[in-house]
Amino acid sequence: EAGVTQFPSHSVIEKGQTVTLRCDPISGHDNLYWYRRVMGKEIKFLLHFVKESKQDESGMPNNRFLAERTGGTYSTLKVQPAELEDSGVYFCASSLRDTRPYEQYFGPGTRLTVT
Amino acid sequence: AQTVTQSQPEMSVQEAETVTLSCTYDTSESDYYLFWYKQPPSRQMILVIRQEAYKQQNATENRFSVNFQKAAKSFSLKISDSQLGDAAMYFCAYRRWGNKLVFGAGTILRVKS
Repeated sequence: EAGVTQFPSHSVIEKGQTVTLRCDPISGHDNLYWYRRVMGKEIKFLLHFVKESKQDESGMPNNRFLAERTGGTYSTLKVQPAELEDSGVYFCASSLRDTRPYEQYFGPGTRLTVT
Repeated sequence: AQTVTQSQPEMSVQEAETVTLSCTYDTSESDYYLFWYKQPPSRQMILVIRQEAYKQQNATENRFSVNFQKAAKSFSLKISDSQLGDAAMYFCAYRRWGNKLVFGAGTILRVKS
């Protein structure tokens, strides 16, 4: 069974540019989450999809961030325009359903560097 | 708001020895889950062990075990017979309502041969 995959693994862009991160969850997993870790701090929740619907987007920092999950399969996270403080590692995770034991499976992350 | 605190930014252990990583959390909920995740260098994060708050028995997974003190809101991870492959960043996490995870800042574990 393939794990959670993320693309690209690393992206370097200039301030003001646009970047789109992609996450492919484990096949069949309805729940998809985005997290990010900036400047060696805590990993923080961004949002949660159940299939194609946004269940919780309380962690999205501002309207420069747009997440989509068309068709309930892969998800994209677009940052437009990127700012210096957006640099960090963006993790995607998926889980089969929102029931015990609540295990989330993580992807390797996308390291975003904004210069 | 729930918070998770890992007070040890970095720890070292000699191969074959035992090390304990600390984690404390703050919550007003009575039923919750706690997790330890491991992220090896340049690799993805994997679940090491989970603890259900309503279970008094401490979780154990092979060489990994936890010391769960619910009243003290403490959730430490003990790694016995440390191996080189245990070297990684370890994150303590709390599952709050809505299935979002709240993470600590992480502890880098170095294993010396």
